[in-house]
Amino acid sequence: EPEVTQTPSHQVTQMGQEVILRCVPISNHLYFYWYRQILGQKVEFLVSFYNNEISEKSEIFDDQFSVERPDGSNFTLKIRSTKLEDSAMYFCASSPNSGANVLTFGAGSRLTVL
Amino acid sequence: QKEVEQNSGPLSVPEGAIASLNCTYSDRGSQSFFWYRQYSGKSPELIMFIYSNGDKEDGRFTAQLNKASQYVSLLIRDSQPSDSATYLCAVNDHTDKLIFGTGTRLQVFP
Repeated sequence: EPEVTQTPSHQVTQMGQEVILRCVPISNHLYFYWYRQILGQKVEFLVSFYNNEISEKSEIFDDQFSVERPDGSNFTLKIRSTKLEDSAMYFCASSPNSGANVLTFGAGSRLTVL
Repeated sequence: QKEVEQNSGPLSVPEGAIASLNCTYSDRGSQSFFWYRQYSGKSPELIMFIYSNGDKEDGRFTAQLNKASQYVSLLIRDSQPSDSATYLCAVNDHTDKLIFGTGTRLQVFP
């Protein structure tokens, strides 16, 4: 069954450092998303991406965050200067359709900021 | 602020029983409703989605939607210990984002 692949599975970084989380969405999907889940809290929407541009973003997705699709397969989330409160599980998801329908999530990348 | 509310649980049911999970949402414009299952330390996995008022059945799972009451539920028949997980309700208003509830932890004991 097709799956969304995320790397790394766990990253530990120092506060203020840049982090790039990588995702390979399902190959025929057109809509890509990043969500995050702070430990013990709800899954929160960060950003959606379609046709090489951001289609929607939340208030969490401030100037320190950016997304990119550098080639035909990867979809990345960059956090420019990490803060302690960025520690969370970051989930990439993809969908063949718009409107956040039927998302397939990756296994997640756990980010720990020290 | 659009909200999705769930009882955090845990909801404990014996094996073979029906588990009933409930969710309410604040935005009357919500159009699509989803139930995800999340095992501890894992990612959400879609179980069912429902768009129209009424019931939708898929195997042991039945989703129920009442838009007038802004209420969506998930019934799990013949509950198994492997169903023990956190069940996330998520809502979409035809934008590009899902709004998740905090989830209800289900425990099925043998």
